Amino acid sequence: EIVLTQSPATLSLSPGERATLSCRASQSVSSYLAWYQQKPGQAPRLLIYDASNRATGIPARFSGSGSGTDFTLTISSLEPEDFAVYYCQQRSNWSYTFGQGTKLEIK
Amino acid sequence: EVQLVQSGAEVKKPGESLKISCKGSGYSFTSYWIGWVRQMPGKGLEWMGIIYPGDSDTRYSPSFQGQVTISADKSISTAYLQWSSLKASDTAMYYCARHRLPDADYGDYFDYWGQGTLVTVSS
Repeated sequence: EIVLTQSPATLSLSPGERATLSCRASQSVSSYLAWYQQKPGQAPRLLIYDASNRATGIPARFSGSGSGTDFTLTISSLEPEDFAVYYCQQRSNWSYTFGQGTKLEIK
Repeated sequence: EVQLVQSGAEVKKPGESLKISCKGSGYSFTSYWIGWVRQMPGKGLEWMGIIYPGDSDTRYSPSFQGQVTISADKSISTAYLQWSSLKASDTAMYYCARHRLPDADYGDYFDYWGQGTLVTVSS
């Protein structure tokens, strides 16, 4: 099973700052990686798929990069509504796994 | 409008059986894989398994194989997750979610999610 490790566990930033979240896979997943945002009491929301493609309706301040084993989600300028938990997910070989999450909190 | 509507919260005792549901609407139910995801209290997301309602092809996470059963009734556009004997450790929120693309033969991501079903198992 492919293990996804996200870092940091918690990221404390202020609105307007740039956020950089990392996801590392235990083996190559090519570009088959997505990012989700989850707010308290809500279902996750798909942000990025295939490492760098924004899902429908996702603002341009969200961007993804990477391939193989190292991936990054960048939020260029944080809005108040961006403070949430973020998960990465890989889809290789019909065995999906999620990372453990990064909590993005207001500093 | 695509919607996945899940059944309501459940409170069960250890050893009891349970079947929760996820009804899809606003799209071709038989053409999109539907997955189930567990979220234990205060914890992260865990993929449990997935089903293609068109022919009931089902795949399970190794962690959940043999622990749960995923099924679907395409005549009523509903997917199910069931347990034969619940444990306290099954207490969690369970989400169903739809693949982003139809007929995704090599896996995909989840773009529409149900609202979640909270399952509480306590004696």
